[in-house]
Amino acid sequence: QKEVEQNSGPLSVPEGAIASLNCTYSDRGSQSFFWYRQYSGKSPELIMSIYSNGDKEDGRFTAQLNKASQYVSLLIRDSQPSDSATYLCAVNLEVQGGKLIFGQGTELSVKP
Amino acid sequence: DAGVTQSPTHLIKTRGQQVTLRCSPKSGHDTVSWYQQALGQGPQFIFQYYEEEERQRGNFPDRFSGHQFPNYSSELNVNALLLGDSALYLCASSFWGGTEAFFGQGTRLTVV
Repeated sequence: QKEVEQNSGPLSVPEGAIASLNCTYSDRGSQSFFWYRQYSGKSPELIMSIYSNGDKEDGRFTAQLNKASQYVSLLIRDSQPSDSATYLCAVNLEVQGGKLIFGQGTELSVKP
Repeated sequence: DAGVTQSPTHLIKTRGQQVTLRCSPKSGHDTVSWYQQALGQGPQFIFQYYEEEERQRGNFPDRFSGHQFPNYSSELNVNALLLGDSALYLCASSFWGGTEAFFGQGTRLTVV
């Protein structure tokens, strides 16, 4: 079992729709959770971090964490073509320092 | 405020050669982590440096080594290059007291 799992996609949504990206992790000791966006040929860009159960909203993005189910999700509202990218889920087992364990990423395509 | 900077951006080396990649962390950050990202995969943790010491190491051979300098910048060295070392090498900058990490633009290494 992989430590962090994501559907590789591609996930295709029409412009203006809600895109839902999902991630599961295997280590119950995971402390912090992150979503990165990576455009083709570029480096990952941190877009959301979440540390406790529940929802965290930032603009059009909402991260959801359920530690009991070992599940993290990212919702993108009013999806735009510029949101087309690969979204990487990452977890950290530490409360400070520590390494990021990444999933393989989900490719999102937003069609005009 | 300069973000994370890496050099060079692209590099072509021959099998068996050695390579050094460089990273300057974001202002105020004291921790540098290195990741290797193969095409279509999530980044894989190589090692992390804090206070000029290697704090954690991923599942990479001893051919991969690093260093952190007093100004927090870091180097990644890879000896005896293999074709399989061709990848995007990412430097992540963070504050030891936290877990959010920010990536540089990466170095694309091609081994021929």
